[in-house]
Amino acid sequence: ETGVTQTPRHLVMGMTNKKSLKCEQHLGHNAMYWYKQSAKKPLELMFVYSLEERVENNSVPSRFSPECPNSSHLFLHLHTLQPEDSALYLCASSHGRDSTFEQFFGPGTRLTVL
Amino acid sequence: GQSLEQPSEVTAVEGAIVQINCTYQTSGFYGLSWYQQHDGGAPTFLSYNALDGLEETGRFSSFLSRSDSYGYLLLQELQMKDSASYFCAVLPDTGRRALTFGSGTRLQVQP
Repeated sequence: ETGVTQTPRHLVMGMTNKKSLKCEQHLGHNAMYWYKQSAKKPLELMFVYSLEERVENNSVPSRFSPECPNSSHLFLHLHTLQPEDSALYLCASSHGRDSTFEQFFGPGTRLTVL
Repeated sequence: GQSLEQPSEVTAVEGAIVQINCTYQTSGFYGLSWYQQHDGGAPTFLSYNALDGLEETGRFSSFLSRSDSYGYLLLQELQMKDSASYFCAVLPDTGRRALTFGSGTRLQVQP
């Protein structure tokens, strides 16, 4: 148990659907992250939130829209995705940007776009 | 920018010692981290080297040499449960303060 939960664990969606991924951390951290993990590729940082403010947007297409309503919750809203967006989406948290070297990851959402 | 290179796969036998290397090209960084990820699981933090030298945590040790742009993770007394992917990552000291990960090394421990 890492203290970071993600729902759903698996998601299959069509290109015209709208869905949201949810992440919740129970560790009292104040920085949260979204990563994309594709086979045989490094983890790709998508977004960083620190104290509920987005501090990093790593050239992610606008069909991905993050939301951080408070320091414990992070969402990733998805719409009009493409098949190449199929991947494992990982959420992580850390004590703060000064502790970024040690991140706590959730189990991920396996997304398949048809 | 930053780039990290790791071998894609390593195979070793139970009880042995294995070293997973990470070479990097980066303009500057605070330190080198290592993460473990089992199939279907979340990456979990193993170690962090801010300074050159060896850091030991039980059966796992991590090493950093800034002058050689090189680090490694050393796993001793291998167990079957150590079969997983291992990622190195650097925390840049300029620009964005976020980890940049290597592609990962898949370790297979055989009986």
